Order: sequence, then C-alpha cells, then structure tokens
Amino acid sequence: KNEVEQSPQNLTAQEGEFITINCSYSVGISALHWLQQHPGGGIVSLFMLSSGKKKHGRLIATINIQEKHSSLHITASHPRDSAVYICASGGSQGNLIFGKGTKLSVKP
Amino acid sequence: DAGITQSPRHKVTETGTPVTLRCHQTENHRYMYWYRQDPGHGLRLIHYSYGVKDTDKGEVSDGYSVSRSKTEDFLLTLESATSSQTSVYFCAISSQRGQSYGYTFGSGTRLTVV
Repeated sequence: KNEVEQSPQNLTAQEGEFITINCSYSVGISALHWLQQHPGGGIVSLFMLSSGKKKHGRLIATINIQEKHSSLHITASHPRDSAVYICASGGSQGNLIFGKGTKLSVKP
Repeated sequence: DAGITQSPRHKVTETGTPVTLRCHQTENHRYMYWYRQDPGHGLRLIHYSYGVKDTDKGEVSDGYSVSRSKTEDFLLTLESATSSQTSVYFCAISSQRGQSYGYTFGSGTRLTVV
C-alpha cells in the first residue's frame, strides 16, 4: 500500500521568502500530483509530473523517482500563496492516495 | 469553467436521515470519484465509478452508496447519516483511470450531521 507523507505540516513564511514543501511516498509510481486548496475552497491541480522538473510562474515542482521524493518550491512568496498544498500519488485501485497537506501562511 | 459542480454546497442534517449529494460534470469523463476530507487525514476515497452503472468501493465506503445512471451524474447517498459522516465531500473526475492522468475536483460539499 502506498503511503504519502508530507512535511512540514504547517509553514509560516514572510512575504518574499523561498518556500519548500516536501513529499515522500513508499511505492514506485508513474506520476505524482501537487494540488492547492485555499481556505474554504475547492482543490486545484497545480502539477502532474513523472520525472525531472516542471515550472509554472513562481511555482516549481521536482521529483526524484529513485528516492521516491518530490518537492514543491514557491519563489518570492506572496500572501495570496497562503493555502494548503497537497501531494498525491498512485493507489492500488488506480486512484490517487493523498498526503495530509501542508498549510502555508505567508505574512505580509 | 465549472466542468464539474457539486450540490448542495452546504447541508446540515439530523442523525438517521438519508442524504444525497450530487456531482455533475460536463466533460464527458468516464471516471468519477467521491472523496471525504477530514482534519488529520488526507482525502480518502469513498466510491468511484468507471462508467454508467459501474461503481466500486473505496477505502471508506461503509455507510455510503452511490449510483451513476448517466455519464454526467454521480450521486453519493448516506442511507442513515451519522455524526461520523460530518465531513467535506469532494467529487473528482478524470478521463482515464490511474495516477498518470489529470484530475479535476468539484468545489466540495460541507455536510454537518447533528
């Protein structure tokens, strides 16, 4: 059974700081997802990656398949980046297994 | 661009009453999923559907049933709601099954059982 662990659980940063959120998983996968959930809001897909690195604006996601580890980086963080960030990877039923999320708060 | 909508958005119900949540999609995706989100847990799969009238159980299916009579609608029913079913419920859709395909999530339904 795949287990997905995220760290840290909570993260507070000052505006402008570089932020890293980590995700590790226990079973070999073909792809990993990063999702964003704003307070009281829905869930938005940020990235799906199977190797290397992807970039979208100030967000960068990397994955190391051999080490079963992925990171989400936010450069020049802004208060609007405050949200819960969730990683997810493959489950046994062909669905996704989700981490518990990292709650990010960016202070102005 | 709401290709997936959930209704209702909020509901308060009494213990023992039946409740049905609806997920509606306009993307013509084959796969639909119901998840629940609780503090201290990641999203957990309740049931999923891989086509009209084709459904299967997920990790936390006890106390829930589902139906899919049309491609666009996936219903989640709590036959007799309990306080442990107080949660936020999310529907998701994907064109293909598996981790290598994109998922789109609904906005969630916040259900409170009193």
